[in-house]
Amino acid sequence: QKEVEQNSGPLSVPEGAIASLNCTYSDRVSQSFFWYRQYSGKSPELIMSIYSNGDKEDGRFTAQLNKASQYVSLLIRDSQPSDSATYLCAVRVPSGGSYIPTFGRGTSLIVHP
Amino acid sequence: SQTIHQWPATLVQPVGSPLSLECTVEGTSNPNLYWYRQAAGRGLQLLFYSVGIGQISSEVPQNLSASRPQDRQFILSSKKLLLSDSGFYLCAWSPRQAFNEKLFFGSGTQLSVL
Repeated sequence: QKEVEQNSGPLSVPEGAIASLNCTYSDRVSQSFFWYRQYSGKSPELIMSIYSNGDKEDGRFTAQLNKASQYVSLLIRDSQPSDSATYLCAVRVPSGGSYIPTFGRGTSLIVHP
Repeated sequence: SQTIHQWPATLVQPVGSPLSLECTVEGTSNPNLYWYRQAAGRGLQLLFYSVGIGQISSEVPQNLSASRPQDRQFILSSKKLLLSDSGFYLCAWSPRQAFNEKLFFGSGTQLSVL
């Protein structure tokens, strides 16, 4: 079964700290990996996308991908209270000739002042 | 620019009543279209996706159905709602044949079945 796994949390960090969010996936043929942020009652918004092994940095956010270990992570530096949200990991998994976006259940992040 | 419209924003329906949620995309052609459901405190569960008019793939067996009568229109329906159908429904699109593209989400419909 194709799965994307995340720790549901909540992950609580103090303001200014580094928040580390992790995700594993089961299908080795998976392509394209995404992190979305979702505030309560709102639709998800894209934070980062990553396609090849290694690190990708965008401002305070760094995505890390290790295809051999089937592992993708998101680091948030200098965490702010406004970063408090649920972070969804998404993986495009092959299915019927397409690559279907499959989501983990999300990790709740709380950044306290 | 591309936009996605989804309505209604909230809906309260009795058990056993029908359902119709509609989603339209503007500013692009031949999009891949998706319906997801998110139960309270849970991740996004893919319900249906479509790669073209009349082409619907179902990911989860249930009492819901989907239709794509036009290229940029995607409809989620039910003949008789169950309590377990409550949740946050999200329509999304991505460019056709672009397996590495992100999803663009609508604003969602909060459905409460009572």
